[in-house]
Amino acid sequence: EVQLVESGGGLVQPGGSLRLSCAASEFTFSNSAMTWVRQAPGKGLEWVSTIGGSGANTYYADSVKGRVTISRDNSKNTLYLQINSLRAEDTAVYYCAKDWAYFGYWGQGTLVTVSP
Amino acid sequence: EIVMTQSPATLSVSPGERATLSCRASQSVISNLAWYQQKPGQAPRLLIYGASTRATGIPARFSGSGSGTEFTLTISSLQSEDFAVYYCQQYNNWPRTFGQGTKVEIK
Repeated sequence: EVQLVESGGGLVQPGGSLRLSCAASEFTFSNSAMTWVRQAPGKGLEWVSTIGGSGANTYYADSVKGRVTISRDNSKNTLYLQINSLRAEDTAVYYCAKDWAYFGYWGQGTLVTVSP
Repeated sequence: EIVMTQSPATLSVSPGERATLSCRASQSVISNLAWYQQKPGQAPRLLIYGASTRATGIPARFSGSGSGTEFTLTISSLQSEDFAVYYCQQYNNWPRTFGQGTKVEIK
């Protein structure tokens, strides 16, 4: 069974940085595009970023472009999301999900709280 | 950016009744449309992709239809475990976009 486990969330001050990780297992990670989706408290789902299997192709939402970098280490079966210049509106549960189109597998999410 | 609009925002349904949820895209997404179910404190669960194909393990009471800009998710006979929030999502264009969700609550 595909497993995705996020980590790295926490409380951070506005303007700070955070790197989220997603450890993947039980599938061929390097063959799969991967995606980050976030959900602010009590709000809907927002697509954040997608990366191709090799890491060569990346896509970003306008709301995070320039502040966020998606990357992956295929030798470690791990996906990353570096978020800089954090704002209050970045407060959300961040989910990693498998694939680039629709998302059949999700992690449990990691909470990022941006507050003074 | 393709805007996905779901209606209604909240749907009150009695167990055993049919629920019909709508999703409209601001431009055609062909059949590149997925539906998800989310319960409190849980990650979303894929129900439908390709507008009408059920994902693995999804009960037959869930069905999807539509193409272009108008889509429907139908739950033929609501079970207690079906009360949740439902989202549509297009994957025809970048950025991927979700609807704002429809909450299906017990009447």
